[in-house]
Amino acid sequence: QVQLRESGPGLVKPSETLSLTCTVSGDSIGFYYWTWIRQPPGKELEWIGYIYNSGSTHYSPSLKSRVTISVDTSKNQFSLKLTSVTAADTAVYYCARDLGGSSNWFDPWGQGTLVTVSS
Amino acid sequence: DIQMTQSPSSLSASVGDRVTITCRASQSISTYLHWYQQKPGKAPKILIFAASSLQGGVASRFSGSGSGTDFTLTISSLQPEDFATYYCQQSYSTPYSFGQGTKLEIK
Repeated sequence: QVQLRESGPGLVKPSETLSLTCTVSGDSIGFYYWTWIRQPPGKELEWIGYIYNSGSTHYSPSLKSRVTISVDTSKNQFSLKLTSVTAADTAVYYCARDLGGSSNWFDPWGQGTLVTVSS
Repeated sequence: DIQMTQSPSSLSASVGDRVTITCRASQSISTYLHWYQQKPGKAPKILIFAASSLQGGVASRFSGSGSGTDFTLTISSLQPEDFATYYCQQSYSTPYSFGQGTKLEIK
């Protein structure tokens, strides 16, 4: 059974960098697309981007200038970095598996981690 | 970017009711449309993929239909565990996008 778990600081100061890691168990991170999605409190879901083929990436244009997704295949983990954060980046951040190809839906998801941007 | 619009935004219904939620895309997305259920404090869970395919392990009272720009999620007979928020998501083109959600509440 594939499981994903997010980890990282729950509080980040404005203008600093948000860094999260997703640990994957039960599947090899060398396959599929590995995705970050976020959900501001009380709002809808927002796709951030994905990494696949152990290094190729694709980001949402609205975040592209500030986002980096990377992978550590030796640890079966992938990571998110979001620079120059503001209060608008406060959200629950989810990692998820995207089967890729023409099957770009998300399953399973991690449990999510709340990141608050505040001084 | 493709905009996804769900209706209604909220819905009150009773156990046993038949419920339909609608999702409309701002352009044709074929059947690249998926439905999720989210309960408070939990991650979304896939229910229906490719507009009408039921994910394994999901109750058969859930069904999806549609293609092009208009899609529906139907719950044939509401159960207590179905009260949640439902989201549609398009994967026709990036950036992938979600609807704003439909909150299904107990009447």
